[in-house]
Amino acid sequence: EPEVTQTPSHQVTQMGQEVILRCVPISNHLYFYWYRQILGQKVEFLVSFYNNEISEKSEIFDDQFSVERPDGSNFTLKIRSTKLEDSAMYFCASSDGRETPSGANVLTFGAGSRLTVL
Amino acid sequence: EDKVVQSPLSLVVHEGDTVTLNCSYEVTNFRSLLWYKQEKKAPTFLFMLTSSGIEKKSGRLSSILDKKELFSILNITATQTGDSAVYLCAVGMKGSSNTGKLIFGQGTTLQVKP
Repeated sequence: EPEVTQTPSHQVTQMGQEVILRCVPISNHLYFYWYRQILGQKVEFLVSFYNNEISEKSEIFDDQFSVERPDGSNFTLKIRSTKLEDSAMYFCASSDGRETPSGANVLTFGAGSRLTVL
Repeated sequence: EDKVVQSPLSLVVHEGDTVTLNCSYEVTNFRSLLWYKQEKKAPTFLFMLTSSGIEKKSGRLSSILDKKELFSILNITATQTGDSAVYLCAVGMKGSSNTGKLIFGQGTTLQVKP
């Protein structure tokens, strides 16, 4: 079954360092997303990406964050200068954008990248 | 503020029991409600519900949506230890573009004991 793959599975970094989290979405999917889950808290939406541009972003997704699709297969999340509060599990997701008659579509999630900022 | 609330937050049952997990929501422009199962890896999709009163079923799992009372339930019958996981409820909203933004509840942690 097709899956979304994420690397690394766990990264430890020092505060102030740049971090890049990588994702390979399902190959025929057109919409890409990043979510995060701080330990013990809800999964939160960060950003959605379609047609090589951001289609929506949350308040969390400030200037320290950026996303990129550098080639035909990878989708990356960059955090420019990490803070302690960026420690979380980061989930990548993708969807094919095919809408059901009601207009909904299903996101497929990756296993996550755990980021620990010291 | 859009919100999704799940209950209970945690549940411990024995194999063979039936469980009901609850999800209530208050969102603007509701589009769909989704259930995911989260074990140690990726959240895996279970159901998507868009219409009231129509039960979705997959094996021992079933789910239904009530758009008037703004809630959904996920039922698991004859539970097995492999059902132990965090069950996530998420709501998708209509917007000017198909952004796929989901609002998640805090999850229900289910532990099934042998």
